[in-house]
Amino acid sequence: EVQLVESGGGLVRPGGSLRLSCAASGLTFSTYTMIWVRQAPGKGLEWVSSIGPTSTSVSYSDSVKGRFTISRDNAQNSLYLQMNSLRAEDTAVYYCARWRFSEKYCDFWGQGTLVTVSS
Amino acid sequence: QSALTQPPSASGSPGQSVTISCTGTSSDVGGYNYVSWYQQHPDKAPKLMISEVNKRPSGVPDRFSGSKSGNTASLTVSGLQAEDEATYYCSSYAGTNNLVFGGGTKLTVL
Repeated sequence: EVQLVESGGGLVRPGGSLRLSCAASGLTFSTYTMIWVRQAPGKGLEWVSSIGPTSTSVSYSDSVKGRFTISRDNAQNSLYLQMNSLRAEDTAVYYCARWRFSEKYCDFWGQGTLVTVSS
Repeated sequence: QSALTQPPSASGSPGQSVTISCTGTSSDVGGYNYVSWYQQHPDKAPKLMISEVNKRPSGVPDRFSGSKSGNTASLTVSGLQAEDEATYYCSSYAGTNNLVFGGGTKLTVL
């Protein structure tokens, strides 16, 4: 059974930093593209960032480019999101998900971790 | 990248059919057959219901179906059941590893 478990969320002041983690099990982690998607309170889903199986291909939404860094450790079956220069509008539940590269959809999602940016 | 356009709400009585639309552009919905639909219950993670416009993953009831015409994709739920009440999001590949979502449609079973 595929399981994705996010952690690392919490309350942070504007301008601060936070590092999210996503622990994966039940899949051959190193063969899949992984993504982060966020959902602001009461709002819709927003793609944040993607990373290919070997980390050579990464991409970011315009809203986080230059502030967030996605990474992965295939030996640890883990995905990360380093978030710097956080803003109030980054407040959201952050989900990690497995991305089916050829078919272009997310087939497994974690339960999410809440990031709140507030003074 | 702009979000895809979905109606904020839809409703139907048990047993009826409801169709939810998702409108994009030729750069996303119209340009690729990579539209997917997700169901989200309150405080739960999204669940894949339809991929590649009209493919149902294993375990998804055949009451759920998808289609696309031009820049607009649609999700139809037939034979509505109480457990179908949720928010539905469409998404589309938008090229160069970009993914765009719709704003979500809250489906109410009357």
